[in-house]
Amino acid sequence: GQNIDQPTEMTATEGAIVQINCTYQTSGFNGLFWYQQHAGEAPTFLSYNVLDGLEEKGRFSSFLSRSKGYSYLLLKELQMKDSASYLCAVRFPNSGNTPLVFGKGTRLSVIA
Amino acid sequence: GAVVSQHPSRVICKSGTSVKIECRSLDFQATTMFWYRQFPKQSLMLMATSNEGSKATYEQGVEKDKFLINHASLTLSTLTVTSAHPEDSSFYICSARVAGKETQYFGPGTRLLVL
Repeated sequence: GQNIDQPTEMTATEGAIVQINCTYQTSGFNGLFWYQQHAGEAPTFLSYNVLDGLEEKGRFSSFLSRSKGYSYLLLKELQMKDSASYLCAVRFPNSGNTPLVFGKGTRLSVIA
Repeated sequence: GAVVSQHPSRVICKSGTSVKIECRSLDFQATTMFWYRQFPKQSLMLMATSNEGSKATYEQGVEKDKFLINHASLTLSTLTVTSAHPEDSSFYICSARVAGKETQYFGPGTRLLVL
C-alpha cells in the first residue's frame, strides 16, 4: 500500500529556519517531490529527490533517506510569502506514466 | 519550466448540468495528463490518468461515466463533469508530465461550484 505522512500545521517566525518532515511507506519508490501551494492556487514544483542526500536550491533544501522512508524540506530565512501549504508527493513503481501520490500537506504560517 | 493552462478558472452551474474543463500543455507535448481533485483543506486526490489516444485509467471510487475524460491530442485533455451535483463542488487540477522528465507540472486549477 501507499501511505504518506506529514504534520498538518506548523508555525515559524520570519527570518527563522523551519523543517517540514515527510515519511512514507510504499511497496515501490521512484522519487519524492515537494510542492508549494498557496490557498486557492495550484501547486508549484520545489524539489525532486530520487537518491539519498540533500538537494539545495536557494533558500529551500530537501533531504531524502530511502532506507528510512523519510524526507524533509528545509526553508531558510523565512519570509511572510512562504506562508503556504507544502505537499510531499511520491512516485511509486518505476513505470513511465505513474502519477504522483500526495500527502495531506503541511500548512505553514510565518509570523512576524 | 513547462506551462500548463486550464479553462475555465472558475465556474458556477446549476445542479444537473454538465461542465467541461480544458487542460492544455502550452509549450510541450504531454502524452500523459493527470486529473486531481482537492476539497477545502485537504490534499490532492488523483482521479484519473489520461493517455493521449486511449481510454483514461480511473482511480478506485471515481465514476468513469460521471467524469468523462478525453485526451484527443498531445496538448489537450478535457474533463467533463456530467450531471453535476453540489457534492461535486471542488477544485479540479490537471497535471502533465514532460516525456522523459520526472517532474509533473500543474495547471492553475478550476474551481467548480454547483448550486
